[in-house]
Amino acid sequence: GNSVTQMEGPVTLSEEAFLTINCTYTATGYPSLFWYVQYPGEGLQLLLKATKADDKGSNKGFEATYRKETTSFHLEKGSVQVSDSAVYFCALSVTTGGGNKLTFGTGTQLKVEL
Amino acid sequence: NAGVTQTPKFRVLKTGQSMTLLCAQDMNHEYMYWYRQDPGMGLRLIHYSVGEGTTAKGEVPDGYNVSRLKKQNFLLGLESAAPSQTSVYFCASRRDSKQETQYFGPGTRLLVL
Repeated sequence: GNSVTQMEGPVTLSEEAFLTINCTYTATGYPSLFWYVQYPGEGLQLLLKATKADDKGSNKGFEATYRKETTSFHLEKGSVQVSDSAVYFCALSVTTGGGNKLTFGTGTQLKVEL
Repeated sequence: NAGVTQTPKFRVLKTGQSMTLLCAQDMNHEYMYWYRQDPGMGLRLIHYSVGEGTTAKGEVPDGYNVSRLKKQNFLLGLESAAPSQTSVYFCASRRDSKQETQYFGPGTRLLVL
């Protein structure tokens, strides 16, 4: 079956620090990979995605590269801000006849302090 | 364009009571999903729909029913609520099979006593 493993949180960083949140996956077929972000009290929003090996997704200073050889999709940001405090979910989707369901990791909470 | 909306935002139920959660989207999306979010478990798919009049089971469908009578609405029903159904419920929609991005609603917090 499909699964996503994320590093456990919470991750606490000072403003302007470098961020890495690890994500690895197992999947049958060729998945698309996603990072979603959930700000306090809100629903999930798509942060970035990559649909094939070696693709790099990027948005709002965040980046992640689809690494097929290591089955990974690690999220990085060079300089975090307090406003980046949120829960980050890694997810995958495999094309099937049944609605392309998303499989989520357990989420990683990020806290950024001044 | 409100996107995906959910009603209610918060509800408290007693064990055995029933209720319906409403999800509405104004983007003319074909696909709709219901997830539950529990601490340490991420989001798990309850039921989904690939078009008006169709529904299918997800990962954790037991104790829930759904209906998609209109394209823009996806209802999640709990016939006899149990404490194990205490959770935050998220609805999502997706344009069609060619577009993979799902758009989420703000969530419904349900407490079953």
